[in-house]
Amino acid sequence: DAKTTQPPSMDCAEGRAANLPCNHSTISGNEYVYWYRQIHSQGPQYIIHGLKNNETNEMASLIITEDRKSSTLILPHATLRDTAVYYCIAKRGETSGSRLTFGEGTQLTVNP
Amino acid sequence: DTGVSQDPRHKITKRGQNVTFRCDPISEHNRLYWYRQTLGQGPEFLTYFQNEAQLEKSRLLSDRFSAERPKGSFSTLEIQRTEQGDSAMYLCASSLGQGGRNQPQHFGDGTRLSIL
Repeated sequence: DAKTTQPPSMDCAEGRAANLPCNHSTISGNEYVYWYRQIHSQGPQYIIHGLKNNETNEMASLIITEDRKSSTLILPHATLRDTAVYYCIAKRGETSGSRLTFGEGTQLTVNP
Repeated sequence: DTGVSQDPRHKITKRGQNVTFRCDPISEHNRLYWYRQTLGQGPEFLTYFQNEAQLEKSRLLSDRFSAERPKGSFSTLEIQRTEQGDSAMYLCASSLGQGGRNQPQHFGDGTRLSIL
């Protein structure tokens, strides 16, 4: 799986949009971009994933650049409960199950 | 949908003892994964089951570790002769793999193991 690079930490004001970047310059054509987050003392929580088109669900939006070398997770109106470590993962989306390879992620702190 | 359930949530044991953890996946999920997470690091993959078959094992899974999923439902992870370095959070995840798509993995809240 392609290596991903994320900033170690970010801050965001409550109510504002949080934009979390991720670089995956060596991503291959069959690798999806997955985002998970982990709140302290809990297991990782799935947020969203995509291949090349932008995706949106009730939690967030995922913007993938046209060359697929980077992406941005957007939390449109961050709340204090969004404070967590956010992981960007490149993973083959094939029929067989495959592991998630977590990096160190981005610690997002939402401030009041 | 009750989510992935792990038991116990915390386990404290003395070095050299054996421990066993249980994971109950989301019902009808045919794939089950075990990960390990140490403080300040992201989770690391240990092993993966499709139904009752163990299809992949990480090099992290030493011969003191064994995982089973006998009926393709719940799974157990056993660590024999525990060592200080085994102290970690052990996470279980499950997913539904069908047709041409692999659905996202959903995680439990883990079992935190502390070795005295």
